[in-house]
Amino acid sequence: EAQVTQNPRYLITVTGKKLTVTCSQNMNHEYMSWYRQDPGLGLRQIYYSMNVEVTDKGDVPEGYKVSRKEKRNFPLILESPSPNQTSLYFCASRRSGEYEQYFGPGTRLTVT
Amino acid sequence: RKEVEQDPGPFNVPEGATVAFNCTYSNSASQSFFWYRQDCRKEPKLLMSVYSSGNEDGRFTAQLNRASQYISLLIRDSKLSDSATYLCVVTPAGTYKYIFGTGTRLKVLA
Repeated sequence: EAQVTQNPRYLITVTGKKLTVTCSQNMNHEYMSWYRQDPGLGLRQIYYSMNVEVTDKGDVPEGYKVSRKEKRNFPLILESPSPNQTSLYFCASRRSGEYEQYFGPGTRLTVT
Repeated sequence: RKEVEQDPGPFNVPEGATVAFNCTYSNSASQSFFWYRQDCRKEPKLLMSVYSSGNEDGRFTAQLNRASQYISLLIRDSKLSDSATYLCVVTPAGTYKYIFGTGTRLKVLA
C-alpha cells in the first residue's frame, strides 16, 4: 500500500530534550516536506527537500533541523524543544513534476 | 496581510444545499492552486487542482480568478459526508513551497 508513515504518532516530552520524528514514504517520491498545524494559523511549512541531500527552509524553520540521506526518509529533528513547538506535525511527499502531496497521519507533539 | 486568506466559517448548510467558498491570495505571481480537504485533525487530502479555465469533478467545481486573485470552490447537492474543513493552497512562482490557508469549516446538517 502506497503511504507516508510517521513515528511516533503522539509524543509528550520536556523542554530541552532532543527528539526526532521520523517520516518514511514507499512511493519513491523525490519531494518531501514537513508542516506544523496550529489553531488559527493553519498548516505552515517547516522544511522541504527536493531530493536526496537537497533541503531548503520553509516559512517556519527556526528550532528545527532535517536531513535527507535516503530518498524514502525525511526525519524532523528538534535539538532543544520548547513549549512553543507544541503542535500537530505532518510529513508529506510528492513525485517530482506533479503537485499532489500525500500526507502522513500526523504526529501530535506536546512539550512541557 | 496573510498570503492566503479564507473565511473560517463554520458554514452550516442543510443536506442538498449548494455552498461556495472563496479564498484570496496576495501574491499575483502565484502559479498553482489547490483545494484540500481535512477531516477533524486528520491528514489533508487533495480534493482538486484549480485551473484558469475552471474544473469540475462531480458535485465539485473550482474556479480561479487571476485578475481578482481569488479561487473558489462550489459544492452542489451537499452530503453529510462533505462535512470537513476545506483548505486553500497556493504555490508561489519560482518556489517549491506550499502556502496553506487556515481553512473553511463546513457542516452539512441532516
